[in-house]
Amino acid sequence: QKEVEQNSGPLSVPEGAIASLNCTYSDRGSQSFFWYRQYSGKSPELIMSIYSNGDKEDGRFTAQLNKASQYVSLLIRDSQPSDSATYLCAVNRNTGNQFYFGTGTSLTVIP
Amino acid sequence: DVKVTQSSRYLVKRTGEKVFLECVQDMDHENMFWYRQDPGLGLRLIYFSYDVKMKEKGDIPEGYSVSREKKERFSLILESASTNQTSMYLCASSPTGQGAGGYTFGSGTRLTVV
Repeated sequence: QKEVEQNSGPLSVPEGAIASLNCTYSDRGSQSFFWYRQYSGKSPELIMSIYSNGDKEDGRFTAQLNKASQYVSLLIRDSQPSDSATYLCAVNRNTGNQFYFGTGTSLTVIP
Repeated sequence: DVKVTQSSRYLVKRTGEKVFLECVQDMDHENMFWYRQDPGLGLRLIYFSYDVKMKEKGDIPEGYSVSREKKERFSLILESASTNQTSMYLCASSPTGQGAGGYTFGSGTRLTVV
């Protein structure tokens, strides 16, 4: 079992719709969870962090965490073509400062 | 603005060459990391460092070494480059402590070994 699992996609949504990206993790001791956006040919860019169960909203982005189910998700409301990218889920390892990364979900927003 | 700078965007090296990839951060972060990213495999940790002169092996250290002589600089060394080391190499830094935040990545170095 991989430490962090994501559906690779591709996920396609029409412009203005809600995109839902999901991630599961195996290390129950993990405490920090991050979402990165990576445009083609570019490096990952941090867009959301979440540390507690529940929802955290930042603009059009909402991160959701359920530690009991070992599940993290990212919702993108009012999706725009500029949101088309690969989204990486990252979960800290028990040792603290290192992270496991998922292989990413490719999102395409269709105008 | 927080910055992690990787010295080269693209590199082409020959098999057997010794290759140096440089990374500098200006955020006074304690932690620095080297990853490689390959299609279908995601990001894999090569080496990391929590302090000057300190280094720890990650998940795939074979064929690599690192150097951290100054807090802001973390170098990745390919001792004898091989074609299976063709990849995108990403340097990252982060502050210390859980909840302190995620990584800031450099722009990456795409290395081709021929």
